[in-house]
Amino acid sequence: GENVEQHPSTLSVQEGDSAVIKCTYSDSASNYFPWYKQELGKRPQLIIDIRSNVGEKKDQRIAVTLNKTAKHFSLHITETQPEDSAVYFCAASNPYNQGGKLIFGQGTELSVKP
Amino acid sequence: DADVTQTPRNRITKTGKRIMLECSQTKGHDRMYWYRQDPGLGLQLIYYSFDVKDINKGEISDGYSVSRQAQAKFSLSLESAIPNQTALYFCATSDSQREQQFFGPGTRLTVL
Repeated sequence: GENVEQHPSTLSVQEGDSAVIKCTYSDSASNYFPWYKQELGKRPQLIIDIRSNVGEKKDQRIAVTLNKTAKHFSLHITETQPEDSAVYFCAASNPYNQGGKLIFGQGTELSVKP
Repeated sequence: DADVTQTPRNRITKTGKRIMLECSQTKGHDRMYWYRQDPGLGLQLIYYSFDVKDINKGEISDGYSVSRQAQAKFSLSLESAIPNQTALYFCATSDSQREQQFFGPGTRLTVL
């Protein structure tokens, strides 16, 4: 089955710097890759997603890139702000495997220091 | 997302007790999911349902059961709770046309 590995597990950056979180997946048939942000004590919230027919997607300070050949995708946050501090989860799904259930990475705790 | 609600929000129980966690949604989605979250382990899928008559086991279904009472309601039961089921439990929904999942606020369960 699908396996998603996420790195790093913790990341600390200075306010204004960029942050990059990387995920690899094992199932080459996976075609949907969302990213979730979870603030302390809150529910995971979808922040951006990408499908396998595109290589990059941007939404203001957030971007996601996908390399299907290497089976990895990354989250890029530019001009980080203290409110970006949270745990970020990547996920992958294969529509032909059990209806496309999401398999999540282990999470990255991002800390943005003012 | 206020469209997905979970009850109770917090529950403390004892080993061996039967517990039911409930999830309701007003988004009109046909798919519903139960996840468990433990520190450092991300989100693990317990059960999922694509419609009222379709229930599927996830990665960690042992010790749990579910019921899809209606399109809008999906409940998770622990028949005989044990301490290692202490965790944060999330319900999520999606529709069959779009894969985006929306999470409820979570239930923090402690089994003593």
